[in-house]
Amino acid sequence: AQSVTQPDIHITVSEGASLELRCNYSYGATPYLFWYVQSPGQGLQLLLKYFSGDTLVQGIKGFEAEFKRSQSSFNLRKPSVHWSDAAEYFCAVGGGNAGNMLTFGGGTRLMVKP
Amino acid sequence: DAGITQSPRHKVTETGTPVTLRCHQTENHRYMYWYRQDPGHGLRLIHYSYGVKDTDKGEVSDGYSVSRSKTEDFLLTLESATSSQTSVYFCAITRTLTEWGYTFGSGTRLTVV
Repeated sequence: AQSVTQPDIHITVSEGASLELRCNYSYGATPYLFWYVQSPGQGLQLLLKYFSGDTLVQGIKGFEAEFKRSQSSFNLRKPSVHWSDAAEYFCAVGGGNAGNMLTFGGGTRLMVKP
Repeated sequence: DAGITQSPRHKVTETGTPVTLRCHQTENHRYMYWYRQDPGHGLRLIHYSYGVKDTDKGEVSDGYSVSRSKTEDFLLTLESATSSQTSVYFCAITRTLTEWGYTFGSGTRLTVV
């Protein structure tokens, strides 16, 4: 069975500081990995994805994530956080299952201090 | 943006009544999904569809049924709503994961009183 753990439920960072959100997954084969962002009252927007190749992937809004197979991790990073980045972030894993199903982590809520 | 709409956006219903939520897409994607979002649980899969009249259960399917009679519409029915089904429901679509992952609808906030 596939699963995703996001160890940090809440994170608060100061504007301009760097950010790392953690994601650990369990998957029996090569995973497809995703990060989504959800602003309050909104749907989910794709930030970035990893399928294969370069383990450092770039996404929208200045985010990047690094796939580390040995650690079963796919952590999200941003060098300098903006107040508009305050939102909830979800990591998801999927892959070769017949239904293209994604399993999501519990989410990390990011707050940004001025 | 991909064409995916959910209706209604908000609904309050009484315990024991049937409720149907609709997801409509204009992208002709094969796969459609219903998730529920609850604090601390992220998104959990209720049911999904891999084609017209082809559906299967997800992680939290008890108390829910689905139907897909046309490519563009995926209906989620709560046969007899309970307070534990108060949640935000999201529909998602994809052609294949390797394209853009899922595209999500804006969600339906359902309150069962």
